[in-house]
Amino acid sequence: NAGVTQTPKFQVLKTGQSMTLQCAQDMNHEYMSWYRQDPGMGLRLIHYSVGAGITDQGEVPNGYNVSRSTTEDFPLRLLSAAPSQTSVYFCASSYSTPPLKLFFGSGTQLSVL
Amino acid sequence: AQTVTQSQPEMSVQEAETVTLSCTYDTSESNYYLFWYKQPPSRQMILVIRQEAYKQQNATENRFSVNFQKAAKSFSLKISDSQLGDTAMYFCAFIYMDSNYQLIWGAGTKLIIKP
Repeated sequence: NAGVTQTPKFQVLKTGQSMTLQCAQDMNHEYMSWYRQDPGMGLRLIHYSVGAGITDQGEVPNGYNVSRSTTEDFPLRLLSAAPSQTSVYFCASSYSTPPLKLFFGSGTQLSVL
Repeated sequence: AQTVTQSQPEMSVQEAETVTLSCTYDTSESNYYLFWYKQPPSRQMILVIRQEAYKQQNATENRFSVNFQKAAKSFSLKISDSQLGDTAMYFCAFIYMDSNYQLIWGAGTKLIIKP
């Protein structure tokens, strides 16, 4: 049982480049979400989904897109990377909505130069 | 605005000691849940303990327990018989039932257990 799998673990981008962070879960969770973690701050919600075909914005959605075509996958797209998007990104899923227990991936450390 | 405050950026204790991490929150909601999540050096967060606001009894999970003071909006985590594996960042968070499924997170407390 792999749980929540994120790829890649590390990534360096140049300003203006685009990329997709991958997230997959094998627990049949309907709820999936993306967070960013910055030093000295708590996690901030970027986007979330309560099922295939349903997505919504969180606290800090600007500069990011998501889609949910299957229950298992929830990719996060950076449209035009900016230095302000340097952060650690976490994907998390839950069997319940609202998410009363989140299962996290191991994170992606992204640096934008 | 809903906020969560963890006033201790870093703490350290000797192995086998008891340690208490503080958390206060601000909300006008009455129906909510509170959480403590642990983030070890491996970075992958796991849920430590959860408390339902309408339950007066404090939640307990093995060596982990909470002191939930609803009127004071305080939610501290007590770790008994601390172990080296408890070294981690600990985050306090809450969610209220009418939210857009958004947890509100504290900034975290770095806990170091010394041998």
